[in-house]
Amino acid sequence: TQLLEQSPQFLSIQEGENLTVYCNSSSVFSSLQWYRQEPGEGPVLLVTVVTGGEVKKLKRLTFQFGDARKDSSLHITAAQPGDTGLYLCAHKGVAGNKLTFGGGTRVLVKP
Amino acid sequence: SQTIHQWPATLVQPVGSPLSLECTVEGTSNPNLYWYRQAAGRGLQLLFYSVGIGQISSEVPQNLSASRPQDRQFILSSKKLLLSDSGFYLCAWSHPGVPRKAYEQYFGPGTRLTVT
Repeated sequence: TQLLEQSPQFLSIQEGENLTVYCNSSSVFSSLQWYRQEPGEGPVLLVTVVTGGEVKKLKRLTFQFGDARKDSSLHITAAQPGDTGLYLCAHKGVAGNKLTFGGGTRVLVKP
Repeated sequence: SQTIHQWPATLVQPVGSPLSLECTVEGTSNPNLYWYRQAAGRGLQLLFYSVGIGQISSEVPQNLSASRPQDRQFILSSKKLLLSDSGFYLCAWSHPGVPRKAYEQYFGPGTRLTVT
């Protein structure tokens, strides 16, 4: 089983600040996904990265897949209270369409 | 467009009582379906997944079971709940036949289960 480690576990910042959260593994991934989950709701898919070194932008969110496809980062510019939530990374398993999730990073953006 | 429903939204059950959580998907056919459990504020643990009617794969040994009586219906059950069954249960679906989309999962709103 390929394990995903997310860091930090918790991050509290003021509105307008930038933040970066990380997703790391010792294994190589064919692809990696990022989800955001708000309290009491299901996770929502943000992005899928596939190619080593790939960078994808979603408004103020920038996702990067490491060159070796073993790690990924999510950077939020000028965070807003609406960015508050649990950010989860996930990768596709070796067989089937199962996903393995990291433990998540809880982000709190204070107004 | 596709939608996924879960009910009930919240449930409080005594230890030893049975459980039935339901998940239905609209707007797609032959989806892959998944049940997850999430501890407070943490990642998701895959419990069961299904690639078709009557086809269930269990990921974690436990006192829970799953069934798929119809193409777009997935049910999570237990005969006797334990305190440790408390948690947030999430159902998800994915497209099995769309390249590069098969592993992108779409989640329902979840069921908060408290076993007392």
